[in-house]
Formats: sequence, structure tokens, C-alpha cells
Amino acid sequence: AQSVTQPDIHITVSEGASLELRCNYSYGATPYLFWYVQSPGQGLQLLLKYFSGDTLVQGIKGFEAEFKRSQSSFNLRKPSVHWSDAAEYFCAVGAGNNRKLIWGLGTSLAVNP
Amino acid sequence: DAGVTQSPTHLIKTRGQQVTLRCSPKSGHDTVSWYQQALGQGPQFIFQYYEEEERQRGNFPDRFSGHQFPNYSSELNVNALLLGDSALYLCASSSLVVDEQFFGPGTRLTVL
Repeated sequence: AQSVTQPDIHITVSEGASLELRCNYSYGATPYLFWYVQSPGQGLQLLLKYFSGDTLVQGIKGFEAEFKRSQSSFNLRKPSVHWSDAAEYFCAVGAGNNRKLIWGLGTSLAVNP
Repeated sequence: DAGVTQSPTHLIKTRGQQVTLRCSPKSGHDTVSWYQQALGQGPQFIFQYYEEEERQRGNFPDRFSGHQFPNYSSELNVNALLLGDSALYLCASSSLVVDEQFFGPGTRLTVL
């Protein structure tokens, strides 16, 4: 069955510290992978996506993610977190652009000043 | 460009009632997808409309139905509301020429 697992429900980091949010997926075909961010009262905003090619992808707001097929993982990273990064982060997998997305439960990120 | 818009923002209904949620896609997009996001959960795919037809459907009962109009806007209808239908309903628009789904702010439905 297709699924996405985000092992960390809640993470707290200090401002300026590095961040890594984990995502593991189960998908029968070549996955299209996405990371979205959701701030309170806001819709979902795409941070980055992986379809093919270079396994290290750069996104907006200084985020990057690395696709590791052998580990079925697509972890999100940021070298230095800002207070404005506090939000809910979702990993999703799909059959391709324009197809339904299967989502993880999300990781809530809190940033200490 | 107004982006994806949804109405209403909030809605309160009672069990057994029916509700209609609306979505206008981003300019140039012809595909609309609907997702249900319960509190503390990730979104769950309900269905997707393209060319006024339901193209894909998730694991939701027939109480959930939809429609897409010639101008690509879409409606989500839920009949015989249950308490468990309380959630944030998200609309996303896309097209074959863009590789991203753009999400609206959602409609918060509360069923009492």
C-alpha cells in the first residue's frame, strides 16, 4: 500500500540551529515527492519537489531535501532555522504531477528564540 | 492573479444536513482536486475533476460528490453530514503544463 511516514510528530529547535525533518515513503512506482509547509490559518505552500535527476533538490526559503531510493527517504533540511519557519511540515508522494497526493501526518516545528 | 480561492471560510452545520463548498482555481489551471484535513492529520484525497468529469477518487463514501463547471471552478457537496466530517477542506488547482498543485486557504467545516 502507498503510504508516507513522518516519524517526528513535533520538533523544537533553537533559532539558528540546523534542522532535519524525516520522511519515509512506500510506493510501488517511481515516486514524485513533495514537501509542503502549512502555517496557522494558511493553505499549503510547496517548498520543493523531486521528480527525477539530481537527488539533492533546492527549494524556497533556504530548504533542501535529498532523495535516497535505497532508504525510501526524502528528508528535508535547513542549515539555519529562522523563527518564521515555525509551522507544520508535510511530506507527500504522488504518481506524478497533477495526480492525487498521499500525505504524511505532518511534523510540527517550534522555534525557540 | 488571485490564486486559488475557496468559499466560505468557515461553516457550521448540524448532523444530517447537506453542505456545498466552492473553489475557484488559479488562472490558467483546468484541474481541481479536493482534500479533507482532519485536525492533527495530513490531507486525505477526496477526488479530482478535469474537463468537468471526476478523474480520480479517494476512499470516500458516495455522500461526497462534486462538480466542475465550464469555467473550471468546482463544488464539493457532502450529504447527510456526520460529526466525523468536521475538518478543513482544501482545494488545489493544477494543469498538465505545471508541475505543482496550488492550494487554497481551505474551508473549515464544523458539524455539531
